[in-house]
Amino acid sequence: AQTVTQSQPEMSVQEAETVTLSCTYDTSESDYYLFWYKQPPSRQMILVIRQEAYKQQNATENRFSVNFQKAAKSFSLKISDSQLGDAAMYFCAYRENSGGSNYKLTFGKGTLLTVNP
Amino acid sequence: KAGVTQTPRYLIKTRGQQVTLSCSPISGHRSVSWYQQTPGQGLQFLFEYFSETQRNKGNFPGRFSGRQFSNSRSEMNVSTLELGDSALYLCASRDRVIGEAFFGQGTRLTVV
Repeated sequence: AQTVTQSQPEMSVQEAETVTLSCTYDTSESDYYLFWYKQPPSRQMILVIRQEAYKQQNATENRFSVNFQKAAKSFSLKISDSQLGDAAMYFCAYRENSGGSNYKLTFGKGTLLTVNP
Repeated sequence: KAGVTQTPRYLIKTRGQQVTLSCSPISGHRSVSWYQQTPGQGLQFLFEYFSETQRNKGNFPGRFSGRQFSNSRSEMNVSTLELGDSALYLCASRDRVIGEAFFGQGTRLTVV
């Protein structure tokens, strides 16, 4: 079974600074997707960034970027120029590439990010 | 386009009762999946429905069930509620062929 581990229950960062959230995963599959989701106090899960395992290039979405190390099964999220609105719980997630069927996300336990003004 | 809508937002039930939660997916999305979120276990997959058929099921007891209607709206039911069923229940919908899941704001269930 696939597992996702986030070793940092809480992190804090100063506004405008950079922070990196860690995630490791375990799978025997070679074709899969990795995600970072953000859950603010409103509780709605928001997709921040997605990485396809077959792509060597790290995904980037504005201030958010990932460091994907497939051999090490590591997938960290870097937030640059942190803003107060980035404060939230961040979840790392995994799913197999099953061609549209059997869609199941496996989540880590989350990292609570605090942004200090 | 309206997002994923879950009703009700909050619910309080007594042990032994049953409960039904509703999820209306984004228009055009035919796949709906459900997740349970608790402080202890985190986010866990319950099941996924597509075209009124359950396609995948997580490791939950038979007290947890669901269904999907022809308009893609989905309900999940929990019978004989236990205190440990207190959780945030999240629904997500997606276009089955492409795209990732979009989540609703969840239903907060408290069992007393």
